[in-house]
Amino acid sequence: GAGVSQSPSNKVTEKGKDVELRCDPISGHTALYWYRQRLGQGLEFLIYFQGNSAPDKSGLPSDRFSAERTGESVSTLTIQRTQQEDSAVYLCASSPRVGRLQETQYFGPGTRLLVL
Amino acid sequence: GNSVTQMEGPVTLSEEAFLTINCTYTATGYPSLFWYVQYPGEGLQLLLKATKADDKGSNKGFEATYRKETTSFHLEKGSVQVSDSAVYFCALSDSGSQGNLIFGKGTKLSVKP
Repeated sequence: GAGVSQSPSNKVTEKGKDVELRCDPISGHTALYWYRQRLGQGLEFLIYFQGNSAPDKSGLPSDRFSAERTGESVSTLTIQRTQQEDSAVYLCASSPRVGRLQETQYFGPGTRLLVL
Repeated sequence: GNSVTQMEGPVTLSEEAFLTINCTYTATGYPSLFWYVQYPGEGLQLLLKATKADDKGSNKGFEATYRKETTSFHLEKGSVQVSDSAVYFCALSDSGSQGNLIFGKGTKLSVKP
């Protein structure tokens, strides 16, 4: 079946502009995560959605970052007034969630963001 | 807080050599441990996982054993192939948490024929 998809695959923007990144999770996966991968670094957790529960925003680096998810489908990550330090690969992952069991996360190919 | 430390690369090996990539962790509670792999030009994929102490995860000839006494989850493979060239990430998640993963910085492996 289809995996996690993300768009755009690449985005170049000017400092100060807003950008919107999209993630389509695997159908039926209730949990959705956003991560950021800076050059030469590991992945940093940004935000987590689980079903209709309030999202966990504890990883968002500043109030310029926000994310939305409609039910158990598409999610968008928005970065306002982009800065050069926002340049990174933004990865989305989804997983099924059964009770409190830890399930494998399936990652999308990422959106490579470059802020000039 | 929780953290993962893995050996820095890059690691360059000849085909059929033995591979070890060290990973240690700091965590409260009883985390699940993972190795993810990122092949060139591809997305991150789960390689193997272990959810409790002394569990051994294995896949594609790779193995890692969850060692609570040494807080380690070292990745090993007895005979690497050129196709194993990739970046390997060790990660953990707290049991019972929302499940977000905490990653190491990644180790780039290059296997030469």
